[in-house]
Amino acid sequence: AQTVTQSQPEMSVQEAETVTLSCTYDTSESDYYLFWYKQPPSRQMILVIRQEAYKQQNATENRFSVNFQKAAKSFSLKISDSQLGDAAMYFCAYGDYGGATNKLIFGTGTLLAVQP
Amino acid sequence: DGGITQSPKYLFRKEGQNVTLSCEQNLNHDAMYWYRQDPGQGLRLIYYSQIVNDFQKGDIAEGYSVSREKKESFPLTVTSAQKNPTAFYLCASSLWGRNTEAFFGQGTRLTVV
Repeated sequence: AQTVTQSQPEMSVQEAETVTLSCTYDTSESDYYLFWYKQPPSRQMILVIRQEAYKQQNATENRFSVNFQKAAKSFSLKISDSQLGDAAMYFCAYGDYGGATNKLIFGTGTLLAVQP
Repeated sequence: DGGITQSPKYLFRKEGQNVTLSCEQNLNHDAMYWYRQDPGQGLRLIYYSQIVNDFQKGDIAEGYSVSREKKESFPLTVTSAQKNPTAFYLCASSLWGRNTEAFFGQGTRLTVV
C-alpha cells in the first residue's frame, strides 16, 4: 500500500526567509502525481503545487517550488521569501492514477509558523 | 461560481444517533471523496465514488455509510456504530483519470455531545 510520510510536525521560519518542508512516499507504481496542499486556520484546503511523476523538471509556482527525487521517493516543498500568510498546515499528498483507484493519500502534515 | 458545498459547518450529535453530512458539487466532477481529519493524523479516506451508484470503502469506512444517487451529491452518514465520531470531515471531488486535482469543501465539524 502507498504511504506518505511527513517527518516534521512543526516548522518555523522568519518572514522573508526560505523554508523547506520534507515529504517521502512509498509506492510501486510508476505513474502518479504528487501534491502539496495548504490548510490555513480557516481549514479550507488549497492546492499549492502539483508534480507529475513522469516529468523530470521540478514544478514551480511563484514562491513555491519542489525538489522531486523519484528514485529516492522524496518530494520536498521550498517556500521562498516567506510571508505571514504562508502560516498554515501543509500536507503532502500522493495521487494513485496508475491503478484501479483514483484517490489521494495524505501525510500527517507540517504546521508552519512564520515569525515577523 | 463552481465549487463544493458542505453543510452544515458545525454539527452536534447525541450518542446513539445517526447524522448525515451533506456534500454537493457543481464542477461536473466524476469522483467524490470523504476524508476525516484528526489532530496529528492527517486526512484519512472514509469512502470514495468514481461514478453514480458506485462507491468504495476507504481506509476507515467502519461506522460510516454513503450514497451516490446523483453526480452532484455524495452524502455521508455517521452511524451510531462509529465509536469516535468527533472530528473534522472534508468532502472533495475531482475528475477521474489523469491530472486529477482534488477540490475540497469547507468541511463539517462534528461533535458528539
